[in-house]
Amino acid sequence: DGGITQSPKYLFRKEGQNVTLSCEQNLNHDAMYWYRQDPGQGLRLIYYSQIVNDFQKGDIAEGYSVSREKKESFPLTVTSAQKNPTAFYLCASTQPFLGGNEQFFGPGTRLTVL
Amino acid sequence: AQSVAQPEDQVNVAEGNPLTVKCTYSVSGNPYLFWYVQYPNRGLQFLLKYITGDNLVKGSYGFEAEFNKSQTSFHLKKPSALVSDSALYFCAVRDIGYGQNFVFGPGTRLSVLP
Repeated sequence: DGGITQSPKYLFRKEGQNVTLSCEQNLNHDAMYWYRQDPGQGLRLIYYSQIVNDFQKGDIAEGYSVSREKKESFPLTVTSAQKNPTAFYLCASTQPFLGGNEQFFGPGTRLTVL
Repeated sequence: AQSVAQPEDQVNVAEGNPLTVKCTYSVSGNPYLFWYVQYPNRGLQFLLKYITGDNLVKGSYGFEAEFNKSQTSFHLKKPSALVSDSALYFCAVRDIGYGQNFVFGPGTRLSVLP
């Protein structure tokens, strides 16, 4: 999956618990993204970061938080404020300054609320 | 605003027959267009992209796509389908403006029947 690792592959969360999903890339890309995928639906953008120490909300940021302290890492925290977090989460990266560059995706983390 | 439509939720084709997965888009300027494939419980894999130039783009695994500016379409094609092509296919668009994000279609599930 192109130099992006996500861990864990499967994650189970109890009600009221915060959990953090890891995303690491060794592609030297400046931009990183988090998407949520629900069954039968496309990808919805949660957060993105164009450069280290900067990030912006996507379309469905409520109940999520991120940090971008290092170029290669973009962890996503699913907080207890996210009422329906069960989904497949995908991390991606690209080099943003050339618009024609494609995104590379990690293998995904499947989060299930118990 | 950018948008992508994939009018068919499901496409069924017999092995050895040609396949087409449809995509139409809307952007304010000139588009960058992408096709990705997703196998179950995996991340998205890049297939091909249109940036500029020849309207017929060739990509991985024998896939190609035709860009049609007047019809704002970017249909994915393959001359002879394989059972192993069965997967979920996503079309994505990115506006040529700097900092624009990717917008993904809802996906089309392709089933190739033996």
